[in-house]
Amino acid sequence: DAKTTQPPSMDCAEGRAANLPCNHSTISGNEYVYWYRQIHSQGPQYIIHGLKNNETNEMASLIITEDRKSSTLILPHATLRDTAVYYCIVRFYTGGFKTIFGAGTRLFVKA
Amino acid sequence: NAGVTQTPKFQVLKTGQSMTLQCAQDMNHNSMYWYRQDPGMGLRLIYYSASEGTTDKGEVPNGYNVSRLNKREFSLRLESAAPSQTSVYFCASSYGPNTEAFFGQGTRLTVV
Repeated sequence: DAKTTQPPSMDCAEGRAANLPCNHSTISGNEYVYWYRQIHSQGPQYIIHGLKNNETNEMASLIITEDRKSSTLILPHATLRDTAVYYCIVRFYTGGFKTIFGAGTRLFVKA
Repeated sequence: NAGVTQTPKFQVLKTGQSMTLQCAQDMNHNSMYWYRQDPGMGLRLIYYSASEGTTDKGEVPNGYNVSRLNKREFSLRLESAAPSQTSVYFCASSYGPNTEAFFGQGTRLTVV
């Protein structure tokens, strides 16, 4: 699986957009980019995923660069409840399957 | 709809004791996973089951065994608990390998 690199922490003002970057320079053509978040010590929560096109759902938008070596998760109007650790992962299946979580980015949304 | 249910939520074991962590999902998912999370760290995959009847090792399988009892249930067994296995254990499931995974609320295990 491709490894990902994320900044350890970021701050964001409440109501502003939070842009969380992720580098995955060794990603291969059949690997998807997934984003999850973990609030306090709860189980991780799925946010969004994509292969090469930009994606948007009710929670967030995912922007993947044309060379697919990096991506950005955008929370359009961050709230205090969005304070969490955000994980960017890449995964694929070829008969053996692994999902590798890194240390993630701790996002602090401040009032 | 319960999603992914883990039992127990908390457990304290003495070194050398054995126990089984239970996980069940009601979403008709094919794939199930066990992760552990140590303080300040991301999740590490212990074992996974891509489909009913199959299991495979993840990153950190030593000291653990798993059983995919049926499509709904995937259990994790510690045969002889060690303090290094003190952690929070998460079970997850997904319909397939390229679909989103849903996680349980975790089992907080302390081995003394």
